[in-house]
Amino acid sequence: LAKTTQPISMDSYEGQEVNITCSHNNIATNDYITWYQQFPSQGPRFIIQGYKTKVTNEVASLFIPADRKSSTLSLPRVSLSDTAVYYCLVGAFYGGATNKLIFGTGTLLAVQP
Amino acid sequence: DAGVIQSPRHEVTEMGQEVTLRCKPISGHDYLFWYRQTMMRGLELLIYFNNNVPIDDSGMPEDRFSAKMPNASFSTLKIQPSEPRDSAVYFCASSLVGTGLYEQYFGPGTRLTVT
Repeated sequence: LAKTTQPISMDSYEGQEVNITCSHNNIATNDYITWYQQFPSQGPRFIIQGYKTKVTNEVASLFIPADRKSSTLSLPRVSLSDTAVYYCLVGAFYGGATNKLIFGTGTLLAVQP
Repeated sequence: DAGVIQSPRHEVTEMGQEVTLRCKPISGHDYLFWYRQTMMRGLELLIYFNNNVPIDDSGMPEDRFSAKMPNASFSTLKIQPSEPRDSAVYFCASSLVGTGLYEQYFGPGTRLTVT
């Protein structure tokens, strides 16, 4: 079961690029890396998922080095509305009885004007 | 699509009472998850279903908690009897085979307060 480690909090300013790194040293061959965003009083929202190299969508980019022991979520030009908790998850694509879904503590990103 | 629907949005009950939380997943999704979130413990997976069958219930805290999924469009999480330490926000989420276990769509949550 791959455990993840991320910073507890980060601060940024509007318009800056924010990079949040997640460590997952014991990631398994079949594991994918997924990031979620959660605003106060709302359920988490899927942002992006990847297996290796780089994945980009309309919201963010996900960078995964060749050894896959870490990953970086990149948010381009953040705004105040990006203030939220960001979770990194690692697990097999279809899970299974031995692959629990663990959200961890997440990273609280605070964007200042 | 309306997304994942949960009811009630807020529930206040007294210790010892039975509480039933309800969830309607997104139509066509074949995975359904129940989570609990508190400040102290964060977001915890309680149980998840695949095609209405419970796959992993090891996160259910104790026998007072039970979950059912009688059909593809409805699930319940029941707590009987409820205790103050059950106070939390309970989320239901669903996902679709082909997008994997980790691309989940969460409902708005039910905030449960047990006094």
